[in-house]
Amino acid sequence: GAVVSQHPSRVICKSGTSVKIECRSLDFQATTMFWYRQFPKQSLMLMATSNEGSKATYEQGVEKDKFLINHASLTLSTLTVTSAHPEDSSFYICSADGTRQETQYFGPGTRLLVL
Amino acid sequence: DAKTTQPPSMDCAEGRAANLPCNHSTISGNEYVYWYRQIHSQGPQYIIHGLKNNETNEMASLIITEDRKSSTLILPHATLRDTAVYYCIVRFGGSQGNLIFGKGTKLSVKP
Repeated sequence: GAVVSQHPSRVICKSGTSVKIECRSLDFQATTMFWYRQFPKQSLMLMATSNEGSKATYEQGVEKDKFLINHASLTLSTLTVTSAHPEDSSFYICSADGTRQETQYFGPGTRLLVL
Repeated sequence: DAKTTQPPSMDCAEGRAANLPCNHSTISGNEYVYWYRQIHSQGPQYIIHGLKNNETNEMASLIITEDRKSSTLILPHATLRDTAVYYCIVRFGGSQGNLIFGKGTKLSVKP
């Protein structure tokens, strides 16, 4: 299957700071990228969908000013958690979809801990 | 909301076949059945998908009933590394439609 990477794999930050997470499709061009969040013992929840060169579409209840998404190229999307708080601590996972792919492929996830 | 129903957990003996059921009674004619799995603290891994015919790849087989209201994922010879949460998802095929994850089935493969 196609390869999607995320960086960093884990990050610890202080409350009030911002954290940027990168998602890259390594061997295909991703026309659409998705960002999910997963709390302990729960399933993945879709946060937003981003298409290269356009604004992201956020799911209901997800604050677009808090979770900034940039999809500047066909291989890179970034999620910035602004003014992070302890309740933002979670496992953030991206996925990518390309016109030649039959499905979405997921990154390994980024574990965020806000102190 | 997820459009599928799966048992919350299943056990399987190592080396035996694991058969994971999924009900999707409201599936529409142009929706595919996708299976992913998530090993602890990792991103989901794509396994297989199908529309109406049975499918097989190097990881698993997918059996879809004729009325398409249910399906079964088969891992022919389960290993300890197959212990994971398995998600059955229906969506439009190709690069269309979001993946909506339900609670999945926690498969525990035991020695």
